[in-house]
Amino acid sequence: DQQVKQNSPSLSVQEGRISILNCDYTNSMFDYFLWYKKYPAEGPTFLISISSIKDKNEDGRFTVFLNKSAKHLSLHIVPSQPGDSAVYFCAASGYGNKLVFGAGTILRVKS
Amino acid sequence: DTAVSQTPKYLVTQMGNDKSIKCEQNLGHDTMYWYKQDSKKFLKIMFSYNNKELIINETVPNRFSPKSPDKAHLNLHINSLELGDSAVYFCASSQQTGQEETQYFGPGTRLLVL
Repeated sequence: DQQVKQNSPSLSVQEGRISILNCDYTNSMFDYFLWYKKYPAEGPTFLISISSIKDKNEDGRFTVFLNKSAKHLSLHIVPSQPGDSAVYFCAASGYGNKLVFGAGTILRVKS
Repeated sequence: DTAVSQTPKYLVTQMGNDKSIKCEQNLGHDTMYWYKQDSKKFLKIMFSYNNKELIINETVPNRFSPKSPDKAHLNLHINSLELGDSAVYFCASSQQTGQEETQYFGPGTRLLVL
């Protein structure tokens, strides 16, 4: 039973445009959400996070939006760059800091 | 000066063998984790340790035994390896076990059981 879902396996975006990656969750006990970026043959790298008490968090080109009522979060990357091409994992945690990951979305930024 | 390191990076072995994967973090974190990324690419937690004490133990066969000699190290020993154990194993660490703790991952160990 997938508690964190990333329904788009892949996304292709032109360089300079906005990339929007989506994530849905089912467990209302989750209170902390993270996005990780992963290159082939490397470990996931922390990108940005958001607490459930907020609805937006920004860090440079990356913004995460949280809609608690819809149990939905999204990661916006603007402007997208070729170096952003990677797999992006959404993760959620609740009590005990156990991270539950989505299946990942492959982002390709075309130059 | 890698923050979370794992050895070996690649491990190819025969069914039935016993093997260990080592993890070390130099971030001064109190909590360490093991995750498994299966063939469907899902990352799933296996264990977590806080200050050498087991905190999380998911439904993992008891052939898998984590060992934490100190809070900077969390090793994973696997007995009687099976084909289905082939996966990428990631170690991670975080400052504490509490809420809103960001976890930092190692590069992974790619295990192939033949």
